[in-house]
Amino acid sequence: EPEVTQTPSHQVTQMGQEVILRCVPISNHLYFYWYRQILGQKVEFLVSFYNNEISEKSEIFDDQFSVERPDGSNFTLKIRSTKLEDSAMYFCASSHPRDTRETQYFGPGTRLLVL
Amino acid sequence: AQSVTQLGSHVSVSEGALVLLRCNYSSSVPPYLFWYVQYPNQGLQLLLKYTTGATLVKGINGFEAEFKKSETSFHLTKPSAHMSDAAEYFCAVSGRSNQGGKLIFGQGTELSVKP
Repeated sequence: EPEVTQTPSHQVTQMGQEVILRCVPISNHLYFYWYRQILGQKVEFLVSFYNNEISEKSEIFDDQFSVERPDGSNFTLKIRSTKLEDSAMYFCASSHPRDTRETQYFGPGTRLLVL
Repeated sequence: AQSVTQLGSHVSVSEGALVLLRCNYSSSVPPYLFWYVQYPNQGLQLLLKYTTGATLVKGINGFEAEFKKSETSFHLTKPSAHMSDAAEYFCAVSGRSNQGGKLIFGQGTELSVKP
């Protein structure tokens, strides 16, 4: 069964450094999402992406964040200058155009630790 | 605006007992409702969803949920718990008029199953 993959599974970085989290969505999906889950808290929406542009973003998704689909398969989340509070599990998700407001398939997540 | 409230951050049941995880939602538009499960150190896996039609929906692993509009609820049940059901369960809502299908999650309920 097709699945969303994410790399790396774990990333440790120093405060102020840039990180890029990578995702490979399911191949025929066209809607892409990033969510994050701070330890012990709920899963929070960050951004959705369709047709090479951001569809919607949350208040969390400030100028330090950016997303990109650099080729036909990858979807990336960049944090320009990491803060301690960016430590979280980051989940990528994708959905099929026919199921736009229905099923999102999630990757296994990248656990980011900012020191 | 949409929100989800899951009653009980921890639920403990005995193996073979009924599982009931509560979810109430708030939505200004007709909702799509979801239950996701997260096993330790894994991503989010869709258990079941309600979009339109039958209000009792069946999912994987013997789980089911009933959409009750009058009670704004979408509680998750399973007649007989199994040890392998121990995990964190998240209820989520998205709005049908919401472009990009952003999911709003509840805070999660951790299910423990005692032998």
